[in-house]
Amino acid sequence: QVQLQESGPGLVKPSETLSLTCTVSAGSVTSPPYYWTWIRQPPGKGLEWIGHLSYSGSRTYNPSLKSRVTISVDTSKNQFSLHLTSVTAADTAVYYCARDEVSSSYTNWFAPWGQGTLVTVSS
Amino acid sequence: SSELTQDPAVSVALGQTVRITCQGDSLRIYYASWYQQKPGQAPVLVIYGKNNRPSGIPDRFSGSRSGNTATLTMTGAQAEDEADYYCNSRDFSGNHRVFGGGTKLTVL
Repeated sequence: QVQLQESGPGLVKPSETLSLTCTVSAGSVTSPPYYWTWIRQPPGKGLEWIGHLSYSGSRTYNPSLKSRVTISVDTSKNQFSLHLTSVTAADTAVYYCARDEVSSSYTNWFAPWGQGTLVTVSS
Repeated sequence: SSELTQDPAVSVALGQTVRITCQGDSLRIYYASWYQQKPGQAPVLVIYGKNNRPSGIPDRFSGSRSGNTATLTMTGAQAEDEADYYCNSRDFSGNHRVFGGGTKLTVL
């Protein structure tokens, strides 16, 4: 049973870089047909897709965040990471990592999800 | 448009059938997946593809698609189904994922 676990600082100062890591257990970040994904949810609001890293190493980002987001991978540790630069209070959210399974050109789904980690941007 | 639109809130009487919809032009091409989120918890996949349920999801949950609208149906809603529900699919390019704004389901 694949499990994902987020880790990283719960408090980040404005203008700094938010960095989180997702550790994948019982599965490999290089196995098709999976895309390793970051999703966030501001308090009391809906879900926002941030971006993903494919099993082959390609990266795709939400156009609204693209200029500030990088997703990296450490295959030796079976981890992938999110880096979001120049953060503001608007980036305060629960950040989830999830596995996106792409079964066909027309179908994909997120499962499982990590438990989520709250990151607050404040001085 | 790459947006997915959901009604903010829906209510249903206990044991009745409720339908939650998700509208978007990209749904004419791509299937939606549906997620249930209870307070303080991570979202859980309930429906994916044409109409598939993950292991452990009750068969009262089903999914369908017509034109630009995907629908999540709960036949005989239970008190434990009270939650927020989100749809997700791809934008027209197929490269990006997009979530609907979410629907808060109240079971009366």
